[in-house]
Amino acid sequence: DVKVTQSSRYLVKRTGEKVFLECVQDMDHENMFWYRQDPGLGLRLIYFSYDVKMKEKGDIPEGYSVSREKKERFSLILESASTNQTSMYLCASSLRRSSYNEQFFGPGTRLTVL
Amino acid sequence: GQQVMQIPQYQHVQEGEDFTTYCNSSTTLSNIQWYKQRPGGHPVFLIQLVKSGEVKKQKRLTFQFGEAKKNSSLHITATQTTDVGTYFCAAGNQAGTALIFGKGTTLSVSS
Repeated sequence: DVKVTQSSRYLVKRTGEKVFLECVQDMDHENMFWYRQDPGLGLRLIYFSYDVKMKEKGDIPEGYSVSREKKERFSLILESASTNQTSMYLCASSLRRSSYNEQFFGPGTRLTVL
Repeated sequence: GQQVMQIPQYQHVQEGEDFTTYCNSSTTLSNIQWYKQRPGGHPVFLIQLVKSGEVKKQKRLTFQFGEAKKNSSLHITATQTTDVGTYFCAAGNQAGTALIFGKGTTLSVSS
């Protein structure tokens, strides 16, 4: 079974702090994704990556950056956290760089920015 | 940008009643995937539809892809309390590299 793990289930940070959210998958998937989930807004794609050191912007990349130094690990970075970034963050992976591949999600990180 | 509209946002049913959620797009879709997210959980892949007019069944769940490949539906027959959760449709983006998710339909079931 594919396993996608995220470094924290819950995180509380202060406005202006730099925040790192880590995601690791164990099935040698090429593609990894970061989404945020907010009530009534569904899942919105922030960034995705199809290879080491490669990244593509999703629908809402502003205020975020990403890093993929190793194939299995994809990090989401909030350079200067703001209260409007309080949300549930979900990481996902898929086998290849194709929208036809199913995505496997991690358990999510609920981030609160005070 | 490309959008996928999903309705209704919420649906409450009595156990045993049927349930349907709809997904619509103004553009032709390459593929549709459906996911289920249980309360407190994460989205889990259910199925993918690719062909025009395609119908797939999983026990009490029936998935359809429209003839014009602009809409899709998920129908649950005789709902059970285990069906509660949020159902998302997701369509391939124009580049074929990622999914565009609908906002989801949250189903609640009372016994």
